Amino acid sequence: ELKVEQNPLFLSMQEGKNYTIYCNYSTTSDRLYWYRQDPGKSLESLFVLLSNGAVKQEGRLMASLDTKARLSTLHITAAVHDLSATYFCAADSGNTPLVFGKGTRLSVIA
Amino acid sequence: KAGVTQTPRYLIKTRGQQVTLSCSPISGHRSVSWYQQTPGQGLQFLFEYFSETQRNKGNFPGRFSGRQFSNSRSEMNVSTLELGDSALYLCASSWAGQGGYTFGSGTRLTVV
Repeated sequence: ELKVEQNPLFLSMQEGKNYTIYCNYSTTSDRLYWYRQDPGKSLESLFVLLSNGAVKQEGRLMASLDTKARLSTLHITAAVHDLSATYFCAADSGNTPLVFGKGTRLSVIA
Repeated sequence: KAGVTQTPRYLIKTRGQQVTLSCSPISGHRSVSWYQQTPGQGLQFLFEYFSETQRNKGNFPGRFSGRQFSNSRSEMNVSTLELGDSALYLCASSWAGQGGYTFGSGTRLTVV
């Protein structure tokens, strides 16, 4: 059974600082996803990572995937207040449904 | 290109009632998945429909059911509502249920 664990679950960052969110998954997975959710809103797709060593970047966010370690990271560079949200990683394999981590609630403070 | 449309956006129901939620996927997408999101349990998978057939089912009681129509629109039904069914219900559409998921805005269900 595929399980996904994220840490930390809560993160308070100062503006301008860097930090990394970690996502471990328990079994072989075909795809790793990162989503952003603002309070009361739906899930916004950020990245889909398909292969070992994949790295994708969008603005201040960069996601990477290490399939051997079953680990994905979401790195935040020079945080700004607009990045405050909850970030979820999720994984699936074959025709199995998406399994989500519990989310990381990020708060960027001045 | 229209996104995933969920209706209604908000619902308030009384315990014991039943409710039907609707999800219209992106045009051309054949897979619709449903998730329940609560503060305590996070995002939990309910079921997935692909070409009108249920392809996967999560660990929820039989009070939760769904279906998909020939135009790929999907409905989920919850019967005999309980207070614990209060949640944000999200649907996601994809072309074939393998990657490229787009989520709708959700239906916020409150059971009183």
